[in-house]
Amino acid sequence: DQQVKQNSPSLSVQEGRISILNCDYTNSMFDYFLWYKKYPAEGPTFLISISSIKDKNEDGRFTVFLNKSAKHLSLHIVPSQPGDSAVYFCAAKRIGFQKLVFGTGTRLLVSP
Amino acid sequence: DTAVSQTPKYLVTQMGNDKSIKCEQNLGHDTMYWYKQDSKKFLKIMFSYNNKELIINETVPNRFSPKSPDKAHLNLHINSLELGDSAVYFCASSQAANEQFFGPGTRLTVL
Repeated sequence: DQQVKQNSPSLSVQEGRISILNCDYTNSMFDYFLWYKKYPAEGPTFLISISSIKDKNEDGRFTVFLNKSAKHLSLHIVPSQPGDSAVYFCAAKRIGFQKLVFGTGTRLLVSP
Repeated sequence: DTAVSQTPKYLVTQMGNDKSIKCEQNLGHDTMYWYKQDSKKFLKIMFSYNNKELIINETVPNRFSPKSPDKAHLNLHINSLELGDSAVYFCASSQAANEQFFGPGTRLTVL
């Protein structure tokens, strides 16, 4: 039972444009959401997070939007850069609990 | 000065063997984890230790045994390796239930 889903396995974007990565979850107990970025042969790196009391969190070029009623979140990268090319994992948890549930990832390719 | 380190990075072994993967974190965190990323790239938690006590134990064959000698170390021992154990294993750490920091991964190949 996959509680966190990333339905797009890959996304190609041109440099300077916006990248939008999507994530859906099914467990209504989740109240904290994270995005991780992963380069080949490296471990995932924490990027940005959002708690369910907010609907938006911004950090530089990265913004995460949360739509609780739709159980959907998205990561916007503006402007996209070639160095952003990586696999992006969405993850969800309950605040105060350690267990993270990951999606299957979306491979982003930003071309010059 | 790597925050979360794992050894070895690559491990190739025969079916039936016993092997260990070591993990160390120098972040002063109190919680450590083992994750498995399978061939479908699905990253799934296996175990978690908080202050050397097991707090998460997912449905994992009992051939897998984690051991935490102290807060900074969490090792994973695997007995009687099977083909299906081939995967990338990631160690991670966090302070309580905050953001997790991952190691570089250990690619295990069972022949």
